[in-house]
Amino acid sequence: DTGVSQDPRHKITKRGQNVTFRCDPISEHNRLYWYRQTLGQGPEFLTYFQNEAQLEKSRLLSDRFSAERPKGSFSTLEIQRTEQGDSAMYLCASSLRDYGNNEQFFGPGTRLTVL
Amino acid sequence: SQQGEEDPQALSIQEGENATMNCSYKTSINNLQWYRQNSGRGLVHLILIRSNEREKHSGRLRVTLDTSKKSSSLLITASRAADTASYFCATEGRMDSSYKLIFGSGTRLLVRP
Repeated sequence: DTGVSQDPRHKITKRGQNVTFRCDPISEHNRLYWYRQTLGQGPEFLTYFQNEAQLEKSRLLSDRFSAERPKGSFSTLEIQRTEQGDSAMYLCASSLRDYGNNEQFFGPGTRLTVL
Repeated sequence: SQQGEEDPQALSIQEGENATMNCSYKTSINNLQWYRQNSGRGLVHLILIRSNEREKHSGRLRVTLDTSKKSSSLLITASRAADTASYFCATEGRMDSSYKLIFGSGTRLLVRP
C-alpha cells in the first residue's frame, strides 16, 4: 500500500461525456503528478503540481483536459468531451522532493474506457 | 514520448534463474529508477540509482548504470513466480525542474514455476 489513492478505479463512459478523476496523495507530499498509460506502454507524463501550483503540462494534455489541486491537497483531472482515444489508465503519483531523491509513489490508477 | 527503449520486450524464465533486462535513454539524467507493475495494478518503486553511481544492490536486485552509453540494467537473481510483472525504467532529466519521470516501454517478465 503506497498511500496514494485514486477514485474511481474504473470508469466507463460514452464518447462526448465529461469525466472527472480524483487523486489523494500521501499527506506530506508537496509534489503531485498525473501520467497516462496505454496498453503495452510505459506511463507518459501529463502534468505536475508543486503544492497548489500547476507548473508543467505536457503537449499530450489537450485543451479538453484540465487539472486542479486546490489547497495543495487532493487533485482532480477532468476530461471534457471524451474521445475513444482517451481510453487509458490514468495514474497519479506524489513525492516529497529531497536532495538527490525523487521516489514517486503511485496510486492504483483509474482505468477509463470510452465507448 | 518515451525516453528510450527496454530490452527485451518480453522474457520468460524458469523459477530460480536470473533475469536481466536492459534500458537505454536519450538525455542527461539526475537519476534512473526501476519500477514494477503487476497486471492491471499500480507501479511499485524498486530502486533508484543516481547519475554518479555505477552499481547498486537491494535484496535480490542489482542495478548498473553506464552514463557514457546512456544505459542501465536490472538483474533479478533467484527469480520467483511472484516476480512475474512488467518492469519499467524511468529517468529524471538533469535539466528538468519538475523532476517528472520519463518511462521506457517496459519488459514483461514471466517466471514459470
